[in-house]
Amino acid sequence: DVKVTQSSRYLVKRTGEKVFLECVQDMDHENMFWYRQDPGLGLRLIYFSYDVKMKEKGDIPEGYSVSREKKERFSLILESASTNQTSMYLCASSLSFHRDLNTEAFFGQGTRLTVV
Amino acid sequence: AQKVTQAQTEISVVEKEDVTLDCVYETRDTTYYLFWYKQPPSGELVFLIRRNSFDEQNEISGRYSWNFQKSTSSFNFTITASQVVDSAVYFCAQNSGYSTLTFGKGTMLLVSP
Repeated sequence: DVKVTQSSRYLVKRTGEKVFLECVQDMDHENMFWYRQDPGLGLRLIYFSYDVKMKEKGDIPEGYSVSREKKERFSLILESASTNQTSMYLCASSLSFHRDLNTEAFFGQGTRLTVV
Repeated sequence: AQKVTQAQTEISVVEKEDVTLDCVYETRDTTYYLFWYKQPPSGELVFLIRRNSFDEQNEISGRYSWNFQKSTSSFNFTITASQVVDSAVYFCAQNSGYSTLTFGKGTMLLVSP
């Protein structure tokens, strides 16, 4: 079974803190994604990565950065957390589009971040 | 640009009722893929089905069935004889070739005993 693991289920951080959300997958997937989920807005893509050290902006990258130093790990970084970044964050992974065009994405359990 | 619309924000049914979740998509691509995911209260999105644009056959899996109609750009999901465990948020999604998944806003299904 594909396993996508996010390091925390719940996090509470203070405004202005630098926050790291970690995600690890164990299926040798090339693609990794970070989404944000808010009520009434569905899932919105923040950043994604096709390969190690490679990153692409999604629909809402402002206020976030990412790091992919190893294939299995994809980190989301909030440089200076703000209250409007309080949300559920979901990490996902999938096979490379070159290997399987119609591959589904596999998701982690989510991290509910509260910024106070 | 791709767009996925799930017009139903929330649906409430009583156990054993049938329920259909609507999904309408927009794309200019001729080759594309459609997906349904389930998000139970635990939070993790669970993959249910994928369908490519060349396969319009309906699919049935137990109590679940999917109706794909290119003529109306719809990919609807029906649960027959709903159960309390079906309560979740359901997302429809689409991608085209090398693009990332575009999700609808989700439909929350509440099944009461």
